[in-house]
Amino acid sequence: QKEVEQDPGPLSVPEGAIVSLNCTYSNSAFQYFMWYRQYSRKGPELLMYTYSSGNKEDGRFTAQVDKSSKYISLFIRDSQPSDSATYLCAMGRSGNTPLVFGKGTRLSVIA
Amino acid sequence: GAGVSQTPSNKVTEKGKYVELRCDPISGHTALYWYRQSLGQGPEFLIYFQGTGAADDSGLPNDRFFAVRPEGSVSTLKIQRTERGDSAVYLCASSGGRAMQETQYFGPGTRLLVL
Repeated sequence: QKEVEQDPGPLSVPEGAIVSLNCTYSNSAFQYFMWYRQYSRKGPELLMYTYSSGNKEDGRFTAQVDKSSKYISLFIRDSQPSDSATYLCAMGRSGNTPLVFGKGTRLSVIA
Repeated sequence: GAGVSQTPSNKVTEKGKYVELRCDPISGHTALYWYRQSLGQGPEFLIYFQGTGAADDSGLPNDRFFAVRPEGSVSTLKIQRTERGDSAVYLCASSGGRAMQETQYFGPGTRLLVL
């Protein structure tokens, strides 16, 4: 079993839909949880950062972490064609340590 | 510059050749990471520097891979005797700024193709 599991998709939704992306993990030592967005042939771009359990909202994006279930989610409201990208979840054990990534979920938002 | 930069953006080489990939981190960031991303996969950790020293090199796949960061800023990833399986995108990230110091910021990557 990989440390971080993420459904690779692809996921296709109409413009304006609510998108739900998620990852599960097995290592209870993870304390930092991130979501990165990666456009084709570009480097990952940080979207959301959460420490420990809880919710965090930033504009149309909401990140949730449930450490008891070892489950994290990213919600995108009012999805736009410009949101079409691969979304990577990533986790770290403590500050300034290597991240463990999921495979990434490829999202297409259709106008 | 404002972000992490990597050169070259693309590198094509022949099996058995030596390559060097360069990373310029965000100014002032003390930590620097190298990851490798194969097609359809998430980035996988290779090596991590804190300052000039390699704090963790457990992700390097074998002794053909080596990285340095002699002055605690720019880093070079070196691959000897390249193999076709080394073809991937090599990503560099840095962290350690004032706010959210754990956050890793990535460069655009170097796409390596070994023929």
